Amino acid sequence: AQSVTQLGSHVSVSEGALVLLRCNYSSSVPPYLFWYVQYPNQGLQLLLKYTTGATLVKGINGFEAEFKKSETSFHLTKPSAHMSDAAEYFCAVSNTNAGKSTFGDGTTLTVKP
Amino acid sequence: SAVISQKPSRDICQRGTSLTIQCQVDSQVTMMFWYRQQPGQSLTLIATANQGSEATYESGFVIDKFPISRPNLTFSTLTVSNMSPEDSSIYLCSVDTYNEQFFGPGTRLTVL
Repeated sequence: AQSVTQLGSHVSVSEGALVLLRCNYSSSVPPYLFWYVQYPNQGLQLLLKYTTGATLVKGINGFEAEFKKSETSFHLTKPSAHMSDAAEYFCAVSNTNAGKSTFGDGTTLTVKP
Repeated sequence: SAVISQKPSRDICQRGTSLTIQCQVDSQVTMMFWYRQQPGQSLTLIATANQGSEATYESGFVIDKFPISRPNLTFSTLTVSNMSPEDSSIYLCSVDTYNEQFFGPGTRLTVL
């Protein structure tokens, strides 16, 4: 069985500040990990994913995430927040490269001017 | 990437009725997935639809309530049957291709 916990349902940062969205997972097999972004009234868009290999994964829009097996974490970061980053972010885990993922509850990111 | 379209984009329905949601992909894919996103909540997988076989439903979801068709490799439908207000959600179609999961724009369903 797999599960995802996103710590903090709402995160608020100032424009230009560091963005840190936390995700911890549970998986009985080596996980595939994903971060998705959902803008209001739009579908999900893949930000980045970890499958195998390098544990620091770079995605679109300046986001990156680091897979830490010892901590069962896959936190999402961005050095400098932009107003356009305001959205809902979902962490997901799967036992395959894609498909049939288990999603976290989501974190709403607000960016203040 | 895969481009996914869904119809309708939104609908308002009366309780007790049924709605069929269509999902069209611009390329052939083996597996298609149907998710539900209830208001203010995360995505929950309803079922996996493979062409040529019956859909596989997740715990808590049954075929009588959510019948699925998968007539070919680019198309699927999900029917929400005998609707109640609790079925008000966004229903999303998803495919697994190019080693990535792609999502449709969703169908926003409101049941009165």
